[in-house]
Amino acid sequence: DAGITQSPRYKITETGRQVTLMCHQTWSHSYMFWYRQDLGHGLRLIYYSAAADITDKGEVPDGYVVSRSKTENFPLTLESATRSQTSVYFCASSGTGGTNEKLFFGSGTQLSVL
Amino acid sequence: EDQVTQSPEALRLQEGESSSLNCSYTVSGLRGLFWYRQDPGKGPEFLFTLYSAGEEKEKERLKATLTKKESFLHITAPKPEDSATYLCAVHFGNEKLTFGTGTRLTIIP
Repeated sequence: DAGITQSPRYKITETGRQVTLMCHQTWSHSYMFWYRQDLGHGLRLIYYSAAADITDKGEVPDGYVVSRSKTENFPLTLESATRSQTSVYFCASSGTGGTNEKLFFGSGTQLSVL
Repeated sequence: EDQVTQSPEALRLQEGESSSLNCSYTVSGLRGLFWYRQDPGKGPEFLFTLYSAGEEKEKERLKATLTKKESFLHITAPKPEDSATYLCAVHFGNEKLTFGTGTRLTIIP
């Protein structure tokens, strides 16, 4: 089915471990984004990508790494997880208009860092 | 600093009781304002985009309006299935979309 899928849906890890969250979209959208959602903060942009092999930092990039070797995939890696990275992570995509177009969001990954 | 503020934080309405949600922003050079709906355990779902003051968009029981400093999401004769969190987001440029913290709307049958 066409759409944007995230995996895993839920993840529990320990501080210091590396974790990778996956995001896959089937629309061939140019732009992809990673947001985190925390109570009291709303959605905050971590990283975004305008095309394959082009990535850029968002509002809260520290502690995260992204890559985009293929248009359809945009994994997010926490190199050494911390408790402050406990959050719900959403991947999103949009067409060539980037942030000035509507975003299509995945269902999210709920990450708990113990 | 560019800011987006939504009010109220939570709103409980009886079925059929119309009301409005507010999204105010402090910014120069607004590029676009977006409304999203988010159901529990799901990602936000796009509702509307507004680009200039005076613009209005409608969809079923929802109508979004935009002025130079704020946007309203009007809900007319709501039904229980309209219960959700409604998010406002403002595009200020440089691929930066600033989200408000949302209004949690509950419609009581």
